[in-house]
Amino acid sequence: DQQVKQNSPSLSVQEGRISILNCDYTNSMFDYFLWYKKYPAEGPTFLISISSIKDKNEDGRFTVFLNKSAKHLSLHIVPSQPGDSAVYFCAAPGTAFFGNEKLTFGTGTRLTIIP
Amino acid sequence: EAGVTQFPSHSVIEKGQTVTLRCDPISGHDNLYWYRRVMGKEIKFLLHFVKESKQDESGMPNNRFLAERTGGTYSTLKVQPAELEDSGVYFCASSQVRDSPLHFGNGTRLTVT
Repeated sequence: DQQVKQNSPSLSVQEGRISILNCDYTNSMFDYFLWYKKYPAEGPTFLISISSIKDKNEDGRFTVFLNKSAKHLSLHIVPSQPGDSAVYFCAAPGTAFFGNEKLTFGTGTRLTIIP
Repeated sequence: EAGVTQFPSHSVIEKGQTVTLRCDPISGHDNLYWYRRVMGKEIKFLLHFVKESKQDESGMPNNRFLAERTGGTYSTLKVQPAELEDSGVYFCASSQVRDSPLHFGNGTRLTVT
């Protein structure tokens, strides 16, 4: 039973355009979400997070949107750069109090930025 | 500051053999986690240490897996005996406090033949 789903295994975007990565979740108890970025042969690195009390969080070129009623979140990258090419994982913690414990990850979306 | 280091980076063993993976967290990080990614699927939680104590080991697949963190510093994850389905990438992560972002190591790719 996959509680965090990333239905697009891959995405290609032209450099300079907007990249939109999507994530759906089934567990209505999730109230905090994170995005991690992973380069080949490296571990995931934290990118951005959002609490359920917000519907948007922005950090430079990265913005995460949360739609609680639809149980859907998305990561927007604008403008996309070649260094953004990586696998992006959506994640949610399995405990109510701490933001990073027992993370449940999606299967990831491989983003390729085309120069 | 040195990051989370894992050793070895890659291990190939035969079914039935034993393998021990090691993780050195960032110095001062009391929280240490093990995760696993199998066959390009999702990254799954295995267990969580706070210092030398197991806080949560609900993700450990079965009793062939044994994790230790003696002295609350580095951790080892032993698989004995290894099975084909244990193949995957094993990630270790650490954090200073429980609600701070996780820092992941580069992982150990385990191949069981």
